[in-house]
Amino acid sequence: GAVVSQHPSWVICKSGTSVKIECRSLDFQATTMFWYRQFPKQSLMLMATSNEGSKATYEQGVEKDKFLINHASLTLSTLTVTSAHPEDSSFYICSAIRVAEAFFGQGTRLTVV
Amino acid sequence: EDKVVQSPLSLVVHEGDTVTLNCSYEVTNFRSLLWYKQEKKAPTFLFMLTSSGIEKKSGRLSSILDKKELSSILNITATQTGDSAIYLCAVRVRGSQGNLIFGKGTKLSVKP
Repeated sequence: GAVVSQHPSWVICKSGTSVKIECRSLDFQATTMFWYRQFPKQSLMLMATSNEGSKATYEQGVEKDKFLINHASLTLSTLTVTSAHPEDSSFYICSAIRVAEAFFGQGTRLTVV
Repeated sequence: EDKVVQSPLSLVVHEGDTVTLNCSYEVTNFRSLLWYKQEKKAPTFLFMLTSSGIEKKSGRLSSILDKKELSSILNITATQTGDSAIYLCAVRVRGSQGNLIFGKGTKLSVKP
């Protein structure tokens, strides 16, 4: 089946620094990728839709200047958490669409200290 | 506003029991409904349903879509402790570039 790889799996960073998370579709091209955030004991929350070659579409309430998304190629989208704060600590997951199905990355556990 | 509602929110059963999880939706331009199993990390895809009345099966899991009732059920027979997870239902609508509308999930706990 289709594979979506997310890197890193977990990261610890200091407050005020920026962290980049990569999402790659390994065996297919994805013009659209999605970024989600999961809060403890809650379901996934869609943060933004990443479109190859154009600006990402952010969901209401998501700060686009804080969560920078770049989709420079058909197989790679990146999410950069800028000036991270402890409240940004969470589990971030990406997904990519192939045909009519969504495939998820392994997720990235971000801890900001 | 498009929405997906799952019930129950939480469920505790014993090994061997059969469970039925529900998902109802109110969306414009329905395209497909998907079930995922979410454990510690990312969700695992279970089923995608597009046609009403056709049951999909995978081992002890099965699911069916009822477009008339705007709902789907996920059945798990002979539950095992490894089935403990959050089960997510998501709906894709046409023209959304594949975006998924997620329900809040059903947390299933299977006790030995």
